[in-house]
Amino acid sequence: GNSVTQMEGPVTLSEEAFLTINCTYTATGYPSLFWYVQYPGEGLQLLLKATKADDKGSNKGFEATYRKETTSFLLEKGSVQVSDSAVYFCALKNSGAGSYQLTFGKGTKLSVIP
Amino acid sequence: GAGVSQTPSNKVTEKGKYVELRCDPISGHTALYWYRQSLGQGPEFLIYFQGTGAADDSGLPNDRFFAVRPEGSVSTLKIQRTERGDSAVYLCASSPYEKETQYFGPGTRLLVL
Repeated sequence: GNSVTQMEGPVTLSEEAFLTINCTYTATGYPSLFWYVQYPGEGLQLLLKATKADDKGSNKGFEATYRKETTSFLLEKGSVQVSDSAVYFCALKNSGAGSYQLTFGKGTKLSVIP
Repeated sequence: GAGVSQTPSNKVTEKGKYVELRCDPISGHTALYWYRQSLGQGPEFLIYFQGTGAADDSGLPNDRFFAVRPEGSVSTLKIQRTERGDSAVYLCASSPYEKETQYFGPGTRLLVL
């Protein structure tokens, strides 16, 4: 079955520090990969996605590249801000007919301090 | 435009009671999903609707859980004889079609005492 593993949190960084959050997955076929973000008191929001190998998703200064050879989807941001404090979830969805379930990792809580 | 809305935002009930959780998807979205997020965990799939029918309910934990979407828009998740272990945040998501990006609502936080 499908599974997603994220680095354990919480992660605490100073403002303007470099962020990496790793995500590895197990899936059949060629899944699409996603990073969702959950800000305090808000619902899950799609941050970025990649649908095939070597695709790079990017949004709000965050980037992640779909690495099929290492089954990973590393989230990076060059300079974090206090407003980036949130819980980040990696997720996958299988391709093909009837594929609609998202499988999520446990989430990584990021705290950015001024 | 309006996003996915869920009501109530919080629900406290006693063990053994019946609860209903409502989801209003984005207008025009034919696919609707329910997930459950326990404390410290990622969301877990419960059920998927395409239109009015439940295309996949394999994630429902047992027969105390049931969901409907009678007119292909609003959905209600129903939990009978609630147990303390049902306490979680119940998330609803919708998408234009099943393969498209899922947009999540804010969730209903259920606490069973």
